[in-house]
Amino acid sequence: AQKVTQAQTEISVVEKEDVTLDCVYETRDTTYYLFWYKQPPSGELVFLIRRNSFDEQNEISGRYSWNFQKSTSSFNFTITASQVVDSAVYFCALSGERETSGSRLTFGEGTQLTVNP
Amino acid sequence: EAQVTQNPRYLITVTGKKLTVTCSQNMNHEYMSWYRQDPGLGLRQIYYSMNVEVTDKGDVPEGYKVSRKEKRNFPLILESPSPNQTSLYFCASRRWGAGWGYTFGSGTRLTVV
Repeated sequence: AQKVTQAQTEISVVEKEDVTLDCVYETRDTTYYLFWYKQPPSGELVFLIRRNSFDEQNEISGRYSWNFQKSTSSFNFTITASQVVDSAVYFCALSGERETSGSRLTFGEGTQLTVNP
Repeated sequence: EAQVTQNPRYLITVTGKKLTVTCSQNMNHEYMSWYRQDPGLGLRQIYYSMNVEVTDKGDVPEGYKVSRKEKRNFPLILESPSPNQTSLYFCASRRWGAGWGYTFGSGTRLTVV
C-alpha cells in the first residue's frame, strides 16, 4: 500500500522567511513518482513538480526547491524568501509503477502555509 | 486550452435526491479519476477509469457510481446523497503510462443537507 505523510498541518511564517514543508512516503514499488501540488484559497490544484524515484538530483525553480532523499523516503519542499502569495495548502503525492498503484495519486493530508506580511 | 471541466462548481442538495457531477477532458487522456477532499484527510480517490468501459474502485467508493461510455467524459453519480458526502470533489485525467501526473478540474463543492 502507498502512504504519504505530511506531519506539519499548519505553518505560519513572516514574509521573506524561508520555509520547508516535509513529506515522507511509503511504497513497495521500486519505481515511483512524487509530486507536489499547491492549492491556493481559490481552491484549484496547481501542479508544481514531478520527481521519479531513480533521479535523486535536487531541483530548484526560482524560489522553490525540492530535496529528494530515497534513503529517508522524503521529498521536502523549500520556499526561499516567502511571499504572501505563497499562502496556500500544499500537497505531496505519490504514484506507483504498477497498474494498480499507478492508477492512483495518493495524497498526504496537506500543509496549510500562511505567510504574513 | 487543455483542461478538465467539471460542473457544477457549487451544489446544495437534500438528502436522497439523486445528482450527477459531470466531468469532461479535451486532452484525449486514457485515465480519469474522481477525488474528494476533506479537512485533515487530504484528497482520497473515489473511482478511477483506465479507459472506456473500464472502471475500478478507489479508496472511498461507497455511495458513488461512475461510468465511462466515452473517453472524454467521466460523470460521478450520487444515487442517494447523504450529509457525509458533503465535500469538495475533483475530477482529474492523465495520459497512459506510469509517472504522468493528473490534470485536475476546478472542483465541485457539494453540500448535502
